[in-house]
Amino acid sequence: GAGVSQSPRYKVAKRGQDVALRCDPISGHVSLFWYQQALGQGPEFLTYFQNEAQLDKSGLPSDRFFAERPEGSVSTLKIQRTQQEDSAVYLCASSFGQGGGGGYTFGSGTRLTVV
Amino acid sequence: AQSVAQPEDQVNVAEGNPLTVKCTYSVSGNPYLFWYVQYPNRGLQFLLKYITGDNLVKGSYGFEAEFNKSQTSFHLKKPSALVSDSALYFCAVRGPSSNSGNTPLVFGKGTRLSVIA
Repeated sequence: GAGVSQSPRYKVAKRGQDVALRCDPISGHVSLFWYQQALGQGPEFLTYFQNEAQLDKSGLPSDRFFAERPEGSVSTLKIQRTQQEDSAVYLCASSFGQGGGGGYTFGSGTRLTVV
Repeated sequence: AQSVAQPEDQVNVAEGNPLTVKCTYSVSGNPYLFWYVQYPNRGLQFLLKYITGDNLVKGSYGFEAEFNKSQTSFHLKKPSALVSDSALYFCAVRGPSSNSGNTPLVFGKGTRLSVIA
């Protein structure tokens, strides 16, 4: 597609519910990143994929967070047993290369509200 | 570890006046520096980047930024601000790629720019 697509756009979850957030990167982009953006803050890194390999998951805040990209294209971020502190905008970004010089293209994000 | 500081939460400027949004960084090795803009309920949009070469980088919508290695700064500038420039601006840094591939961008907390007519 022309850009990075994320769905759903908005998600309201009851505390304790599991959620799955989808990211469809730009076709052919090797690198895919997930970020969490709390209200009034900058994006915080969660995890990074190079094709289907999850090379860095150091930013995942707890073992309730899990991400996958099984075929090296679409990625899913799953949050189990959601808590109120999980409320944030979850941003996905992709880039063509695996080197350091390329910028990212971001999706519009999924706003998760845990009630 | 990489880090970015944006010392101003808010910058107010009159339309037509020059604007500056400040950013300083800390990284091991040569930095890759970026500016992104975020409009309400939208994702981040790329404005410009510095990788190597000329210290003055020109980007989208008339914005530019100057890389200053001695001051570890990468301030965003525009000669004449527009009301439509009002948005949230993020500075980001990345260190050189490691053997394990890409290194993720580290973002500052953002600076809200308000341009007043």
